[in-house]
Amino acid sequence: GAVVSQHPSWVICKSGTSVKIECRSLDFQATTMFWYRQFPKQSLMLMATSNEGSKATYEQGVEKDKFLINHASLTLSTLTVTSAHPEDSSFYICSARDAKSRVWSGELFFGEGSRLTVL
Amino acid sequence: KNEVEQSPQNLTAQEGEFITINCSYSVGISALHWLQQHPGGGIVSLFMLSSGKKKHGRLIATINIQEKHSSLHITASHPRDSAVYICAVYTGNQFYFGTGTSLTVIP
Repeated sequence: GAVVSQHPSWVICKSGTSVKIECRSLDFQATTMFWYRQFPKQSLMLMATSNEGSKATYEQGVEKDKFLINHASLTLSTLTVTSAHPEDSSFYICSARDAKSRVWSGELFFGEGSRLTVL
Repeated sequence: KNEVEQSPQNLTAQEGEFITINCSYSVGISALHWLQQHPGGGIVSLFMLSSGKKKHGRLIATINIQEKHSSLHITASHPRDSAVYICAVYTGNQFYFGTGTSLTVIP
């Protein structure tokens, strides 16, 4: 099956620093990738939709200047948490849509997630 | 009110038991996903369905579009089935996620 890889799987950083998380589709091309945030014991919350070669679309309430998303190629999207603070500590997950599907059925492939802890 | 409601929130079962997790939704959908999230956090898509029933090994997923309801069944449950199971619906424009059902299977 299709594989999506996230890196790093966990990261600890100091308050005020920036952290970059990568999401790669390993065996398919992804026109669209989605970034989610998950707090403990809660479900996934969509942060933004990332389309290759264009600006990301952010959900209401998500600061686009704080969570920078870049989707420069069909196999890579990055999420950069800028000037991270302890309240940004969370589990971040990406998912990807296979570019082959012209009419998208809704099939998604998820990454393993990245746990960010800001001290 | 959440667009996707799951029940139960938590479930503990003895190994070998038959397990059912329910999902009700309030929006029109083009597809419904059952996702499995392991303790490490990684998510695996178990099923995507838009009608009827699908089976994969010991897992069975059913959906009733008229009643806006889906169930995930696990037959002969095993401790390795312990995970959070998330129901997600796709409307054709966006996804809505349930809050998940935490399953623990005791040996």
